[in-house]
Amino acid sequence: AQKVTQAQTEISVVEKEDVTLDCVYETRDTTYYLFWYKQPPSGELVFLIRRNSFDEQNEISGRYSWNFQKSTSSFNFTITASQVVDSAVYFCALSERAGANNLFFGTGTRLTVIP
Amino acid sequence: GAVVSQHPSRVICKSGTSVKIECRSLDFQATTMFWYRQFPKQSLMLMATSNEGSKATYEQGVEKDKFLINHASLTLSTLTVTSAHPEDSSFYICSASGGTDQETQYFGPGTRLLVL
Repeated sequence: AQKVTQAQTEISVVEKEDVTLDCVYETRDTTYYLFWYKQPPSGELVFLIRRNSFDEQNEISGRYSWNFQKSTSSFNFTITASQVVDSAVYFCALSERAGANNLFFGTGTRLTVIP
Repeated sequence: GAVVSQHPSRVICKSGTSVKIECRSLDFQATTMFWYRQFPKQSLMLMATSNEGSKATYEQGVEKDKFLINHASLTLSTLTVTSAHPEDSSFYICSASGGTDQETQYFGPGTRLLVL
């Protein structure tokens, strides 16, 4: 069975602090995809990153970085030097098999960046 | 690229009326479109998956006669909430996949439905 766990329900940080959002997943498939989406107060889900199960290379995009560890079934997301505009709900999601089907979402982490 | 729009963004209707929500992929052909529902402070719940030209596949517990989905073209899917009731009030979000990126769902901005 597939499952995505985001244990942190809410996090508050002061602007310019670094913050890591945790994501742990469960799947029996050997081929799967992991995603992070950002949902700002406006409601739209913004795609941030996709990782396939065969690519454990960590990725950095500006202030965002992702740490994929198959050994611990984790796909954590770090924001460095946080900004107020980073305030949003962040969802981690898992898709099994090829194709963007059956996207299983975690419960989300609400990040508040305090100025 | 990979822009998905939804219309309307917000709708208020009386109980018993039907509401249609449109989802469009603006710059790619969406092989598959998805409809989700999200309650306040909760995660997204998949309602149905639709492929162009075929019937939608509904998730368990979702009434297909209540939530009519039409995926008439590769760029348009519609969700009609029939005979809406206050408990149907929610945030409805569509997503689409296709084009050069078959592995990612791109989401629309969502529609807030309030049934009085």
